[in-house]
Amino acid sequence: GESVGLHLPTLSVQEGDNSIINCAYSNSASDYFIWYKQESGKGPQFIIDIRSNMDKRQGQRVTVLLNKTVKHLSLQIAATQPGDSAVYFCAEKVSGNQFYFGTGTSLTVIP
Amino acid sequence: GAVVSQHPSWVICKSGTSVKIECRSLDFQATTMFWYRQFPKQSLMLMATSNEGSKATYEQGVEKDKFLINHASLTLSTLTVTSAHPEDSSFYICSATSFDEQYFGPGTRLTVT
Repeated sequence: GESVGLHLPTLSVQEGDNSIINCAYSNSASDYFIWYKQESGKGPQFIIDIRSNMDKRQGQRVTVLLNKTVKHLSLQIAATQPGDSAVYFCAEKVSGNQFYFGTGTSLTVIP
Repeated sequence: GAVVSQHPSWVICKSGTSVKIECRSLDFQATTMFWYRQFPKQSLMLMATSNEGSKATYEQGVEKDKFLINHASLTLSTLTVTSAHPEDSSFYICSATSFDEQYFGPGTRLTVT
């Protein structure tokens, strides 16, 4: 895949604080992006998506920002809770229904 | 929401044996399924794209003779790891697409001893 797996960066936040998780994508032609949450030993879960014709999309407690100029995505989690502790991946749609995953960030919420 | 299942959830096998992993879309038909491999503390690596009724498309560096993929129906794709070796130990995850969204299975942990 275009995004190569590396050892995960980590982010620790206090419960109740906001979290910001960043992702750089590789293909400037990608027009659809998804953020996934993966808990230990489980498959990824869909959190929120965004198309390239948008800069921002909000969900429940989550916001995704897209900066196409620098090929950057961010996921903001408001009022982070212990249940948010997981690994977060961004995925870009590269062709057809193929998605490539970013490196991922391990989020730890400190009670 | 759409549900994808995998079976088994964990398999331990001896080196040299073959292991088959099933991926099923339970409440929708998926013309395309994907197989990923994930090593500990790493991202998901796309292995292959599986289209119903045709040969799978493998990513560069993935041995098609070692990782056999069959997509015999719109709800089932199988991945067979042939002559497994300890370095094949990993977490294997499938996904099935419905329109633009991917729905992931819970993953299968393969341990080769």
